[in-house]
Amino acid sequence: KQEVTQIPAALSVPEGENLVLNCSFTDSAIYNLQWFRQDPGKGLTSLLLIQSSQREQTSGRLNASLDKSSGRSTLYIAASQPGDSATYLCAIRGDNQGGKLIFGQGTELSVKP
Amino acid sequence: NAGVTQTPKFQVLKTGQSMTLQCAQDMNHEYMSWYRQDPGMGLRLIHYSVGAGITDQGEVPNGYNVSRSTTEDFPLRLLSAAPSQTSVYFCASSIQTGISGNTIYFGEGSWLTVV
Repeated sequence: KQEVTQIPAALSVPEGENLVLNCSFTDSAIYNLQWFRQDPGKGLTSLLLIQSSQREQTSGRLNASLDKSSGRSTLYIAASQPGDSATYLCAIRGDNQGGKLIFGQGTELSVKP
Repeated sequence: NAGVTQTPKFQVLKTGQSMTLQCAQDMNHEYMSWYRQDPGMGLRLIHYSVGAGITDQGEVPNGYNVSRSTTEDFPLRLLSAAPSQTSVYFCASSIQTGISGNTIYFGEGSWLTVV
């Protein structure tokens, strides 16, 4: 059974710092991996999606990497800003049937001015 | 373009009551699903549908019922509410199954408290 883990559960950094959020998974047979952002009281917004054949994806100050052999993905945020404060979740899609996602518990990020 | 719309946003129920959480999407997505989010446990899949007339169970289906009579709507029914069903519920949709690169879109959530 696929299990997804995100460590740490919470992270606080000063503004301007570069940071890395970690996501690990137990089964390397994945279809894709997606990083989401969740603001308090809101739904999830997709940030980056990495297909199983890809190694990384970039969008603005965000870069996500995928290493299936080691069961790891990282989300790199460059030059962090207070507006980046949110909970970040990674999710694995295990197959091509139905798009069912398995989520990690999330990392709550706080960027201090 | 409204995306994925959930109603109600907040609801308080008494134990044993039944209710329906509504979900509608206007993107002509085939795939729709319901998740619940509990503290420290991430999101867990309740039920999903790959198209009108087709539904299946996810990881935590007990106590919930779904139907998919149209492409746009995917309501979630709580048959007899229990305090363990206090949670935040999210509906999601995506364009099609079988495509690796399609993004999943989420509604803004429904906060349910069962007393």
